[in-house]
Amino acid sequence: AQSVAQPEDQVNVAEGNPLTVKCTYSVSGNPYLFWYVQYPNRGLQFLLKYITGDNLVKGSYGFEAEFNKSQTSFHLKKPSALVSDSALYFCAVAPLNSGYSTLTFGKGTMLLVSP
Amino acid sequence: DVKVTQSSRYLVKRTGEKVFLECVQDMDHENMFWYRQDPGLGLRLIYFSYDVKMKEKGDIPEGYSVSREKKERFSLILESASTNQTSMYLCASSLRGAFYEQYFGPGTRLTVT
Repeated sequence: AQSVAQPEDQVNVAEGNPLTVKCTYSVSGNPYLFWYVQYPNRGLQFLLKYITGDNLVKGSYGFEAEFNKSQTSFHLKKPSALVSDSALYFCAVAPLNSGYSTLTFGKGTMLLVSP
Repeated sequence: DVKVTQSSRYLVKRTGEKVFLECVQDMDHENMFWYRQDPGLGLRLIYFSYDVKMKEKGDIPEGYSVSREKKERFSLILESASTNQTSMYLCASSLRGAFYEQYFGPGTRLTVT
């Protein structure tokens, strides 16, 4: 069975500084990997995904993530954080050969960007 | 834009009541999902459906049932609500295939008293 670990419950960063939200995964075979963001009292919004190819994936709002197969990681990054990036971030994984399109989500990391 | 709507944003029910949560998507997606979200536990899959009248159990199906009579509509039913079902419920839809992203509704915050 697949699993996702987001080791930090909360990440604090000052506006303008780079940010990293960590994610590691466990899955049989190759993975599909996703990042979602949840703003207060809202549903989740898709940010980016890794399917195959280039290990560096670019997504919405200036975010990017790097797939590292040897470290089984898919960390979310942004070069310069904005206060408006403050939200709850979820990493998710699905096996490449899964018969159904189900995702396994991490527990989420709260990102707080201070002015 | 894909739109997923849920019947209520907030709902308060009493223990033992039958509760219906409805989800509608407008993008002709094959797959639909129901999750519950609890602090510190992330999202947990309750049920999903990959076609009309088809359903599969997720990780935590106990105490819940679902219905999908039309492609665009997926209902979650709590047969006899209990206080431990107080939670945020999120519906999502996607095209068939694990590499497609899921689109989420705004959520229903259910309180069972």
